[in-house]
Amino acid sequence: EAGVAQSPRYKIIEKRQSVAFWCNPISGHATLYWYQQILGQGPKLLIQFQNNGVVDDSQLPKDRFSAERLKGVDSTLKIQPAKLEDSAVYLCASSLDFLSYEQYFGPGTRLTVT
Amino acid sequence: GQQLNQSPQSMFIQEGEDVSMNCTSSSIFNTWLWYKQDPGEGPVLLIALYKAGELTSNGRLTAQFGITRKDSFLNISASIPSDVGIYFCVGWGAQKLVFGQGTRLTINP
Repeated sequence: EAGVAQSPRYKIIEKRQSVAFWCNPISGHATLYWYQQILGQGPKLLIQFQNNGVVDDSQLPKDRFSAERLKGVDSTLKIQPAKLEDSAVYLCASSLDFLSYEQYFGPGTRLTVT
Repeated sequence: GQQLNQSPQSMFIQEGEDVSMNCTSSSIFNTWLWYKQDPGEGPVLLIALYKAGELTSNGRLTAQFGITRKDSFLNISASIPSDVGIYFCVGWGAQKLVFGQGTRLTINP
């Protein structure tokens, strides 16, 4: 069974530029998550989708971050404009449904903002 | 907000040694989890704990859910090189995972 796929794996941009990350969850998983992991910290939830609807985006900085999950499968996370403090690993995860604590994580995208 | 504090933050041990790490929470969780993150990868679930006082094993890993539901420990016996990584205690509440800051394990062969 294929795992959660993410691209790109690495991205370096200058502040005020925009960037987009892509995630393909495990087939059949209804719930998709985006996490931000700053160096030395645990992952922090940014947004949670159930199929193509947003369940929780309370921690998403909506003035610069946006995310969508069209057709309830793939998802993209965008940052525009980026700030230095956005440098982090962005992890995508999926689970069978929102009641499942076992989340399957992708390898992440390491973003460096200079 | 909910916070999980892990100790120690990092460990440097010799191969074959046993490892013990702890986690305390400011809140009660009904389910505690331990995830491991290998370098360059996302976290993977190791063990799940459901009942206060529960002791659960998974191979060389043993974890316990504290009686107060606000703490847990993870033990690794006879460490091997592939045990290297970051271990996260995680609380499951309101259908969300709350991660601790992690314990980084380094093993000298």
